[in-house]
Amino acid sequence: AQSVSQHNHHVILSEAASLELGCNYSYGGTVNLFWYVQYPGQHLQLLLKYFSGDPLVKGIKGFEAEFIKSKFSFNLRKPSVQWSDTAEYFCAVNDGNYGQNFVFGPGTRLSVLP
Amino acid sequence: DTAVSQTPKYLVTQMGNDKSIKCEQNLGHDTMYWYKQDSKKFLKIMFSYNNKELIINETVPNRFSPKSPDKAHLNLHINSLELGDSAVYFCASSPEHFGQGAYSPLHFGNGTRLTVT
Repeated sequence: AQSVSQHNHHVILSEAASLELGCNYSYGGTVNLFWYVQYPGQHLQLLLKYFSGDPLVKGIKGFEAEFIKSKFSFNLRKPSVQWSDTAEYFCAVNDGNYGQNFVFGPGTRLSVLP
Repeated sequence: DTAVSQTPKYLVTQMGNDKSIKCEQNLGHDTMYWYKQDSKKFLKIMFSYNNKELIINETVPNRFSPKSPDKAHLNLHINSLELGDSAVYFCASSPEHFGQGAYSPLHFGNGTRLTVT
């Protein structure tokens, strides 16, 4: 069965600091990878996705992620965070061969201090 | 226009009661899901339906019964509510379960916060 781990439970940064959130998955087949963001009290929104091609994918709000197949990783990055980036971030994996069974990581809470 | 809408947004009830949460999507998607998010923010799939047919049924107590009257609706009925059922329940949809739609992300509703006292 697939599983997704996220390295950090809670990350605290000051504004303008750089961000990297780790994500690893445990499936050796073809996968589709996603990062979702959940702002306080809101639903999950898609930040970016990777299906194939260029392993460096760019998403909304200045976020990007890099897929490293050999490391089973899909880390999320942002060069300079803002207070408005305070949210919960979820990495998710979907086995593209068997349809839409998304498996989510446990989430990383990001707190950005003004 | 809300793409995936859930009602109610908040639901407070006592143990032992039966309650329902409704979900509707106007995206024309074929597949709908229910996810449970616990107090630690952990998201776990409960069910998925593709064109009214049950596809995924994770280990969920049979007190939880999904019902899909048509592909735009997936309701969740919960019998004999327990304290441990307290969570936020998210409905989601995607274009297809297999094939080309398998590359599509999920579209989430705003969630229903269920509190069982």
